[in-house]
Amino acid sequence: GAGVSQSPSNKVTEKGKDVELRCDPISGHTALYWYRQSLGQGLEFLIYFQGNSAPDKSGLPSDRFSAERTGGSVSTLTIQRTQQEDSAVYLCASSSYAGGDQPQHFGDGTRLSIL
Amino acid sequence: GESVGLHLPTLSVQEGDNSIINCAYSNSASDYFIWYKQESGKGPQFIIDIRSNMDKRQGQRVTVLLNKTVKHLSLQIAATQPGDSAVYFCAERTNDYKLSFGAGTTVTVRA
Repeated sequence: GAGVSQSPSNKVTEKGKDVELRCDPISGHTALYWYRQSLGQGLEFLIYFQGNSAPDKSGLPSDRFSAERTGGSVSTLTIQRTQQEDSAVYLCASSSYAGGDQPQHFGDGTRLSIL
Repeated sequence: GESVGLHLPTLSVQEGDNSIINCAYSNSASDYFIWYKQESGKGPQFIIDIRSNMDKRQGQRVTVLLNKTVKHLSLQIAATQPGDSAVYFCAERTNDYKLSFGAGTTVTVRA
């Protein structure tokens, strides 16, 4: 598609369950980013991919969070043993490459609610 | 840590007037800045960007001003329309890839 696509758009799950969030970046974009946005807040950086490698995982809140990217395209963010504080909107962005005058373009996010 | 912040959390503006949204940043090493617009239930939408070697950049109905001396960024929207109602975020790039966002300014356009 023309933009960044994320699925599911909404996810409700019980505490303790694992969830997997998917991001399909803009075609040809080599850089991919995950952010988290809590209610009424700004965006919190989670992880960055250049191609299939993740040079910076420093924003991941705990070892329950992991992400991968295969084929230099689709990325998945996995949260294991979800907790209520994981409830947030998870946003994915992509750019042609990192750096230069390359703005990050965002998808509409996955709204995650942990019961 | 260093972060980007906004001066006002909310802004109410009359339709047709000009809007000015302000942002203060603290990382003097940031080289690139972006303004995003976020509507309810949507992801942030790119509006305009500016590099640190510029002090002004214009787009369609929008102008971004950068004052590095006081580390201040502003977004001006001309002839504000109802469709401009949204939350506006400024973001600074603190290295090649990481954007740091402020909490946002909610703009409400009065008819």
